[in-house]
Amino acid sequence: AQSVTQLDSQVPVFEEAPVELRCNYSSSVSVYLFWYVQYPNQGLQLLLKYLSGSTLVKGINGFEAEFNKSQTSFHLRKPSVHISDTAEYFCAVSDYNQGGKLIFGQGTELSVKP
Amino acid sequence: NAGVTQTPKFQVLKTGQSMTLQCAQDMNHNSMYWYRQDPGMGLRLIYYSASEGTTDKGEVPNGYNVSRLNKREFSLRLESAAPSQTSVYFCASSPRGDRGRNWYGYTFGSGTRLTVV
Repeated sequence: AQSVTQLDSQVPVFEEAPVELRCNYSSSVSVYLFWYVQYPNQGLQLLLKYLSGSTLVKGINGFEAEFNKSQTSFHLRKPSVHISDTAEYFCAVSDYNQGGKLIFGQGTELSVKP
Repeated sequence: NAGVTQTPKFQVLKTGQSMTLQCAQDMNHNSMYWYRQDPGMGLRLIYYSASEGTTDKGEVPNGYNVSRLNKREFSLRLESAAPSQTSVYFCASSPRGDRGRNWYGYTFGSGTRLTVV
């Protein structure tokens, strides 16, 4: 069975600082990986995805993530955060044989302070 | 350009009452999903429908039933609500039930905030 672990439940950071949100997954087969963002009182919005190919994936709002198969990680990074990046971020995984089901991590609350 | 529409947005139920959460998508997606979101637990899959006419249990199906009414609509029913079902419920849809190189994951609705007292 697959699982996703987001290593930090809360990440406080000052505006314009870099940030990394960590995600590790476990799966015995090849996977698809996703990061979603949830702004307060809203649904989830896709930030970026890894399906295949280049291990460095760029998404919206200046975020990027790197797929590391040997470490089973998919960490999310942004070189300089804004107040508007304050939100909850979810890592999710789906393997090729699960009929499209996404398994989500517990979420990381990013709080950007001025 | 509605995407995934969930109704109602908010609901308060008394223990033992029943209700149906409605979800409809207008993107001609094959697959639909119901998740619940609880603090510190992320999103957990309740039920899903890989295609019209099929439904399957997810991680936390107990206390819920679903109906895939047609390709557009996928409803979630609580037959006898319990306080443990207080949560935010999200419906999502996806164009493929069997993945694909262009698969982009899900489109989510805006959620239903349910409180059971």
